[in-house]
Amino acid sequence: QKEVEQNSGPLSVPEGAIASLNCTYSDRGSQSFFWYRQYSGKSPELIMFIYSNGDKEDGRFTAQLNKASQYVSLLIRDSQPSDSATYLCAVNPYNNAGNMLTFGGGTRLMVKP
Amino acid sequence: DVKVTQSSRYLVKRTGEKVFLECVQDMDHENMFWYRQDPGLGLRLIYFSYDVKMKEKGDIPEGYSVSREKKERFSLILESASTNQTSMYLCASRGLGRNTEAFFGQGTRLTVV
Repeated sequence: QKEVEQNSGPLSVPEGAIASLNCTYSDRGSQSFFWYRQYSGKSPELIMFIYSNGDKEDGRFTAQLNKASQYVSLLIRDSQPSDSATYLCAVNPYNNAGNMLTFGGGTRLMVKP
Repeated sequence: DVKVTQSSRYLVKRTGEKVFLECVQDMDHENMFWYRQDPGLGLRLIYFSYDVKMKEKGDIPEGYSVSREKKERFSLILESASTNQTSMYLCASRGLGRNTEAFFGQGTRLTVV
């Protein structure tokens, strides 16, 4: 079992819809969770992070964390074609030599005009 | 503007060559990482370093070595390049603390022929 799992997609949504991206993790002691966006041929860029149960909103993006169920999700409201990218979930595990992040495989999102 | 800079955007090398990939960060981060990214396999950690002259193996260290002589610089070395090392290589740095983000360089697309 992978430590951080994401559906690879592609997830296709129409412009203006809500895109919902999900991520599950295996380390119950994981402490903080990050969402990165990666455009094709580019490097990942941070969208937002969350460390407390519940929702965290930043503009059109909302991160949701449920530690009991070990999942974290990212909602994108009013999706735009420019949101088409691969979204990477990253987890800060409990035992963390080197302060590394463990990444999921990413979900490819396609927003169709 | 914080930066992680990789020495080359594109590289083409011959099988058996020794290859050096350089990464420099200007954020005074303790932790630096080398990943490779391949379609369908996500980000895979090759090596990381949590201090000058300190290094730890990641998930796929075979065929690679690293060097960190100065805090700001982390080098990845392919001792004898092979075609299966053709990939996108990403360097990242991260400060201390569980809620800090990792910053990525622009990536090096390496092709071994």
